[in-house]
Amino acid sequence: QKEVEQNSGPLSVPEGAIASLNCTYSDRGSQSFFWYRQYSGKSPELIMSIYSNGDKEDGRFTAQLNKASQYVSLLIRDSQPSDSATYLCAVNTDYGGSQGNLIFGKGTKLSVKP
Amino acid sequence: EPEVTQTPSHQVTQMGQEVILRCVPISNHLYFYWYRQILGQKVEFLVSFYNNEISEKSEIFDDQFSVERPDGSNFTLKIRSTKLEDSAMYFCASSGGRLQSNEKLFFGSGTQLSVL
Repeated sequence: QKEVEQNSGPLSVPEGAIASLNCTYSDRGSQSFFWYRQYSGKSPELIMSIYSNGDKEDGRFTAQLNKASQYVSLLIRDSQPSDSATYLCAVNTDYGGSQGNLIFGKGTKLSVKP
Repeated sequence: EPEVTQTPSHQVTQMGQEVILRCVPISNHLYFYWYRQILGQKVEFLVSFYNNEISEKSEIFDDQFSVERPDGSNFTLKIRSTKLEDSAMYFCASSGGRLQSNEKLFFGSGTQLSVL
């Protein structure tokens, strides 16, 4: 059973702080990793993708991937109250000739306090 | 910005009734998906679809479920005889290519299905 694990939180940080969100996955062959943001009652919104070991930065967001440890993280710098949402880690666990699909973690709820 | 469109946003039905959830994927995308999310739980994969065929389906996607691309723009999910446990938010998604080719998956706004 392919699994993606996240701490459900809630993770509470003050406005302006760095929020650190973590994710582990079970399938060592996974190749593509994604972070989605989901506001309550809304659909997942893609915020970052990462495919290679190391860091990838996009604005206030940095995704980090360590395939040897099967670990993905998301850092949000200068956190804003509008960042308050559930952050979903998703892993593409199909490879080879198939279309692929994403396996999601349950998400970490982030609360940014003004 | 192109987006995946889903209708209706809410659907209420009686147990045992058939429902059809509709989706218009992003226009130049060729790979389509249905996911669902029961309240408070994970987003779960149901089915993927390409070139008018199912590519992969999960254990959830049993004989009560079917998908169809009836024309060049729509992609539908049919549940033949709904059960109480089918109550969930159903998300359609599309991508421009195979996900292992570093393509990205974009979600529609969802259809909240309530089975009474």
